[in-house]
Amino acid sequence: SSELTQDPAVSVALGQTVRITCQGDSLRNYFASWYQQKPGQAPVLVIYGKNNRPSGIPDRFSGSTSENTASLTITGAQAEDEADYYCNSRDSSGHHWVFGGGTKLTVL
Amino acid sequence: EVQLVESGGGLVQPGGSLRLSCTASGFTFSSYEMNWVRQASGKGLEWVSYIGGSGRTIYYADSVKGRFTISRDNAKNSLYLQMNSLRAEDTAVYYCARLRFAEYDYWGQGTLVTVSS
Repeated sequence: SSELTQDPAVSVALGQTVRITCQGDSLRNYFASWYQQKPGQAPVLVIYGKNNRPSGIPDRFSGSTSENTASLTITGAQAEDEADYYCNSRDSSGHHWVFGGGTKLTVL
Repeated sequence: EVQLVESGGGLVQPGGSLRLSCTASGFTFSSYEMNWVRQASGKGLEWVSYIGGSGRTIYYADSVKGRFTISRDNAKNSLYLQMNSLRAEDTAVYYCARLRFAEYDYWGQGTLVTVSS
């Protein structure tokens, strides 16, 4: 399969921990990367590789992978974390890239 | 500072053509693979096309293969997307994005393409 599946929406109470998941067969061979997108803005890389954060991304963001599922965890969610989150990886052919459908995170 | 600036978007009729450009600065452009990613209004991100640093390796999403052509001019630090036979479903914001190892580490601000009569 060349698809990545995400839950459409997730909510979390302010200061609590939330996990956003991404499922797909290609994740057995390729790491996922994760992007945060706020309304009217370009996506921003937040997690890549096994569990790496670009400079400037808070350490409350972390990533993990188990078999065909990648997860983005926000530990101690803040109001500014409210956004859409997308996972991405190469597809099983290795010649195409695919995004998950996105997860809208609401911080209550 | 790494910057990617897209241009060339606009309104075009179905069946028409448009050429998008992405001008890069702040890094050695030829050393990086580049991609186009699009996003229809209210929808998710969709990978469109990839080009290797030398321009020799190119891939397309099935949805645009045969209609779109990606290219680059490393002397001008520029990435292009020639879009032909445009359809209403090609209406989207088009982003250029730099591919580092397996992740898009920098994105442009996007350019809007509207296909409508």
